[in-house]
Amino acid sequence: AQSVTQLGSHVSVSEGALVLLRCNYSSSVPPYLFWYVQYPNQGLQLLLKYTSAATLVKGINGFEAEFKKSETSFHLTKPSAHMSDAAEYFCAVRGGYQKVTFGTGTKLQVIP
Amino acid sequence: DADVTQTPRNRITKTGKRIMLECSQTKGHDRMYWYRQDPGLGLRLIYYSFDVKDINKGEISDGYSVSRQAQAKFSLSLESAIPNQTALYFCATSDSAPTGRNTEAFFGQGTRLTVV
Repeated sequence: AQSVTQLGSHVSVSEGALVLLRCNYSSSVPPYLFWYVQYPNQGLQLLLKYTSAATLVKGINGFEAEFKKSETSFHLTKPSAHMSDAAEYFCAVRGGYQKVTFGTGTKLQVIP
Repeated sequence: DADVTQTPRNRITKTGKRIMLECSQTKGHDRMYWYRQDPGLGLRLIYYSFDVKDINKGEISDGYSVSRQAQAKFSLSLESAIPNQTALYFCATSDSAPTGRNTEAFFGQGTRLTVV
């Protein structure tokens, strides 16, 4: 079995501030982990993924995430928020050969 | 051309009508999924198929059915549409062999369905 919990359905940050979106997972087998971004009226775009190589994963648009097995976490960060980062972000998990399971999403608001 | 194509992109239908949403892919993946997105609820899995002969219910399959016509095609049907099935529907594909390059799901652009 596998599941994802995203803490905070809405997060607001000021432009230029640190972005931190939280994701905790559970998986009975070593997981693959993903962050997707959805801009308004668009589909889902892969931001980054963890596939058991480096625990610190860098993605597009300056985002990165760190896999912490002991905390079962895969939090998404960006040092400095831009207005264009306003979107909804989804964390997802795949345990080996299992299906992909998504969290409920976090809407990021960037305040000028 | 998009790797995962959904048709139609938008549809308005009446309560009680049967409607089919179609998905086709050119990625060569054997796994296909239908998700439903509602505000505040994220993406919930309706049905998934690991190959043409393997179809499985997801967490919210009631009121829906699917057909995997070929490896590249996976359709979702609402036999008798109801207003609470109004949502954004996504088709996705993934590779069955999770290698480092092909572990994630690839999404279509979505179908916005409104049941009135």
